[in-house]
Parts: sequence; structure tokens; C-alpha cells
Amino acid sequence: GAGVSQSPSNKVTEKGKDVELRCDPISGHTALYWYRQSLGQGLEFLIYFQGNSAPDKSGLPSDRFSAERTGGSVSTLTIQRTQQEDSAVYLCASSSILAGTDTQYFGPGTRLTVL
Amino acid sequence: GDSVTQMEGPVTLSEEAFLTINCTYTATGYPSLFWYVQYPGEGLQLLLKATKADDKGSNKGFEATYRKETTSFHLEKGSVQVSDSAVYFCALSDLDTGNQFYFGTGTSLTVIP
Repeated sequence: GAGVSQSPSNKVTEKGKDVELRCDPISGHTALYWYRQSLGQGLEFLIYFQGNSAPDKSGLPSDRFSAERTGGSVSTLTIQRTQQEDSAVYLCASSSILAGTDTQYFGPGTRLTVL
Repeated sequence: GDSVTQMEGPVTLSEEAFLTINCTYTATGYPSLFWYVQYPGEGLQLLLKATKADDKGSNKGFEATYRKETTSFHLEKGSVQVSDSAVYFCALSDLDTGNQFYFGTGTSLTVIP
């Protein structure tokens, strides 16, 4: 597609449930990033995929969080046993060094609300 | 490690006032520097960038100059408008760390008529 897309745009879930958030990066972009933005806060880095390299998971806040990227394209962020403090906007971005630019392009985000 | 520090907000200015949002960085290599903007209810979008020392990025009347000697990338605009009200994020990308991105905490700007 023309830009980064994310789904769903909004997700309301009950505490303790698992959720999956999806990101479709710009076609051909080798790098994919997940961030979390809590209300009134800056961007919190979660995880970074670059090509076929092992992902940088250093930002994941707990073992309830995991992410995968299938076929070097679509990525899914999974949060298990959600807690109320997980409520935030989850942003995905992609970039490509090979495209001659290292600019990140952001998706619209998924707003997660844990009741 | 690499990091970005930007001016704390919130910032409130009158229309047509001069804007400066400070940003300094720490990097091991030769990073690219960015300003992203997030308008109310919207996603982050690139405002401007600079890829090497002394480069000036500019867009929509905003400017920022990559200053290696002071490790800074301050955002400026000569005359702000109400429509500039948004949150501004300074960021760096360092290929030496595998194109990892580092963002500042964001500075909220409100422009009043």
C-alpha cells in the first residue's frame, strides 16, 4: 500500500484477555518498529525488526509482550493477559535504508483500552 | 548509548510569535536527525530532517540546523500560527546502531490567537 497501515484502529478488551495488533509496513521497507504512546507521554520503543536479523526486543516491558514479523512484511504485536496499564496507542513505523532514506513512516496507530 | 533530549513542555505562544524548541543528542556515529509532528488526533508525520553536519532541514516555515559542534538540532519558526499547535518530537537515526531510532519525549505547543 501507499503507507503504513494498522488494525484494528481501536480495541477495547477486558483485563486478562490476550490481544493481537497488526501492522502492514510500506512495501519493500526492511525495518519495522513498534512503539507505545501513553496518554500525554512520549514514544516508548518496544521492538525493532531489520530484515532477517534477530529483532531488537530490548524495549518490551514484560514477557507478556511479544511480536513477530512473517515473511519480512506484516508484523503482529501480541499482548497476553492484558493489564489496565497496557492501555495506550500502539504505533508501528517502517523504514528502509536500501531505499536511500532512513526516514520512519508511521501508521495511524491502534488505540488499546483495557477495562 | 544514543539518546535525544528535548525541551520540556508545554509551550504556549501567541500567534506570530517566534518559536524555538531545543533538542540535543548523543550518538556514537554520524546520525541523521529528524523532527516529527503529531497534530491533535493524528499520527506522527515527518516534519523535516537533516542527514549531515551543517545541513538545514526546512518545511512549512520550520527550520532546524544540524550542529555537530554543539550536538544540537533546535527547531525554529519565525511566526507561528494556530494551526501549528501540536506535539513535536526530535529523533535521531544512527546507522552504526543498525538504523535504530531514538525519540525525545515530545514538546507540546499551543498557539493562541
